[in-house]
Amino acid sequence: QVQLVESGGGMVQPGRSLRLSCAASGFTFNQYALHWVRQAPGKGLEWVTLISYDGDTTYYTDSVKGRFTISRDNSKDTVYLQMNSLRVEDTAVYYCARDISYLDTSGPMEYWGQGTLVTVSS
Amino acid sequence: DIPMTQSPSSLSASVGDRVTITCRASQSIDKYLNWYQHKPGKAPELLIYGASSLQSGVPARFSGSGSGTDFTLTISSLQPEDFAAYYCQQNYSPPFTFGGGTKVEIK
Repeated sequence: QVQLVESGGGMVQPGRSLRLSCAASGFTFNQYALHWVRQAPGKGLEWVTLISYDGDTTYYTDSVKGRFTISRDNSKDTVYLQMNSLRVEDTAVYYCARDISYLDTSGPMEYWGQGTLVTVSS
Repeated sequence: DIPMTQSPSSLSASVGDRVTITCRASQSIDKYLNWYQHKPGKAPELLIYGASSLQSGVPARFSGSGSGTDFTLTISSLQPEDFAAYYCQQNYSPPFTFGGGTKVEIK
């Protein structure tokens, strides 16, 4: 069955960097777009970024543009989120999610990981 | 960006109640609207996509309707396992924004 397992979370000081990973299994990885979604403590879900199945197209929410970079390694069935210049307001559980569409980038997220907690604090 | 507004932000209901949650987009998004259920400590779950298509495995008591700017999620008969937060999300254009969420609590 489809599995997405996030890792790399932890506590980091403001201004520092962190890289999250999401290891996928149970589907043909290079045929699906992947998303990152986050939830700050006590807040709702926030869509963060998307990478197309082939890695050629990426999108970001405005608050992370220029600081976060999504990438994928289709040989390792893994998607990454490089987070630079971290801010206190980036504190959240970060979820990796797989798009519903085959060889497309449609937006509904069909499968989700369990999330990894990132805490930005001095 | 397309802000999404959900209402109410919370509601109290009893098992067996019919529950309706609304979502409004700041501009027309056709039918590019999805609904998710999220329970504490769990991964979110896709319920409805394309405004009204029921995701595989989701009980038929969940339904979605609407197009353009106004959308509705209906739970026809609330079950104990339905107490959770519900979010709408537009996938008309990136960034694929979520609504603020609706917390469904036990009355």
